[in-house]
Amino acid sequence: NAGVTQTPKFQVLKTGQSMTLQCAQDMNHEYMSWYRQDPGMGLRLIHYSVGAGITDQGEVPNGYNVSRSTTEDFPLRLLSAAPSQTSVYFCASSPQGINSPLHFGNGTRLTVT
Amino acid sequence: AQKITQTQPGMFVQEKEAVTLDCTYDTSDPSYGLFWYKQPSSGEMIFLIYQGSYDQQNATEGRYSLNFQKARKSANLVISASQLGDSAMYFCAMREGPGGGNKLTFGTGTQLKVEL
Repeated sequence: NAGVTQTPKFQVLKTGQSMTLQCAQDMNHEYMSWYRQDPGMGLRLIHYSVGAGITDQGEVPNGYNVSRSTTEDFPLRLLSAAPSQTSVYFCASSPQGINSPLHFGNGTRLTVT
Repeated sequence: AQKITQTQPGMFVQEKEAVTLDCTYDTSDPSYGLFWYKQPSSGEMIFLIYQGSYDQQNATEGRYSLNFQKARKSANLVISASQLGDSAMYFCAMREGPGGGNKLTFGTGTQLKVEL
């Protein structure tokens, strides 16, 4: 019963480095999304996808790229890490529909020095 | 404008008492869903309760109930008989329909501390 799996759990990057946060779900959910959580700001949507081959920007997309080549996977790429991207990142998935709660991964704590 | 507003950054409640966590929302979409999540200090996001915009009755799930006042655009979470394990951050969230991209938008959260 894996649900939503995020890797890695922790990561430290230097400014300017790039990396990919992995997210996979085994529930055949159409909808997948990435959030970042910063103190006092709640969870802010970075990018989301309503199905394979379809992605769209959320509230804070700058500095991040996504792709959705399969239903299961939704990786988040940091192109050139900046200290402002130090945060906790959550991947979440759900069926489509306003009555569907998101299922969250356990988060990735990223520090950019 | 904020779509979801939680005006209580922190709340204290005595064990066994009830507590209400406030949430107001803003949308012009007639069809939407409202959610509450709990985030304990361990960091995981736990879904608690859901209310649909067309639901006539307030949602309940065990000790959690949602006080839904559609005209006032409020969706307050009520926790009855608080327990020490209820100490956590609580987030209100709204999911709009296809016109809103089916996105789920979160408030800034309320940190609840349950005291003996």
